[in-house]
Amino acid sequence: QQPVQSPQAVILREGEDAVINCSSSKALYSVHWYRQKHGEAPVFLMILLKGGEQKGHEKISASFNEKKQQSSLYLTASQLSYSGTYFCGTGGRGEDDYKLSFGAGTTVTVRA
Amino acid sequence: EAGVAQSPRYKIIEKRQSVAFWCNPISGHATLYWYQQILGQGPKLLIQFQNNGVVDDSQLPKDRFSAERLKGVDSTLKIQPAKLEDSAVYLCASSLGQGAYMNTEAFFGQGTRLTVV
Repeated sequence: QQPVQSPQAVILREGEDAVINCSSSKALYSVHWYRQKHGEAPVFLMILLKGGEQKGHEKISASFNEKKQQSSLYLTASQLSYSGTYFCGTGGRGEDDYKLSFGAGTTVTVRA
Repeated sequence: EAGVAQSPRYKIIEKRQSVAFWCNPISGHATLYWYQQILGQGPKLLIQFQNNGVVDDSQLPKDRFSAERLKGVDSTLKIQPAKLEDSAVYLCASSLGQGAYMNTEAFFGQGTRLTVV
């Protein structure tokens, strides 16, 4: 089962903040965040392994609510380089769900 | 450290023809993934290997797609016969993780862009 991301797209001006949400119908072991620029391969941002864990990458951070089976990615003081499509990937806990599945993505456009 | 290598980068074939893609993961990575990414969509997992065993192939259209990972290293994905809807980018990725749980990052190759006409 693929995770569900929201919103589908967001447009920001430089310096603005945004939140991208990722939720799953299955119990999660891990949440992975990637960014993909047009025509390129997805690039790893961070992985969250524990409920309540928060991590940061430059001014991009994420949280993982294990009980709610949700994760959020926070883009703070956005820069032009943050433009791209953000994907969350999830790893499950069940015997039938050890695979890494990705959501449909959130397209972020940062304008000057 | 060398990244995930894929070939070819681009391929154009006619429907009903066959095609094969090759992937060489990062050395020492136990887990290898093949994803299909249709334009504007997220990567869809086709098959996931751990060493040379299959972890999941539930979304692989087995009537036309096949994949193998001999000796637990490089892998090939084949489509025979191809359909128009197979036009997509095929991404190979690898990760270090040995256990059942997804606890290490995946590194992606540049992908193969397949166009079926």
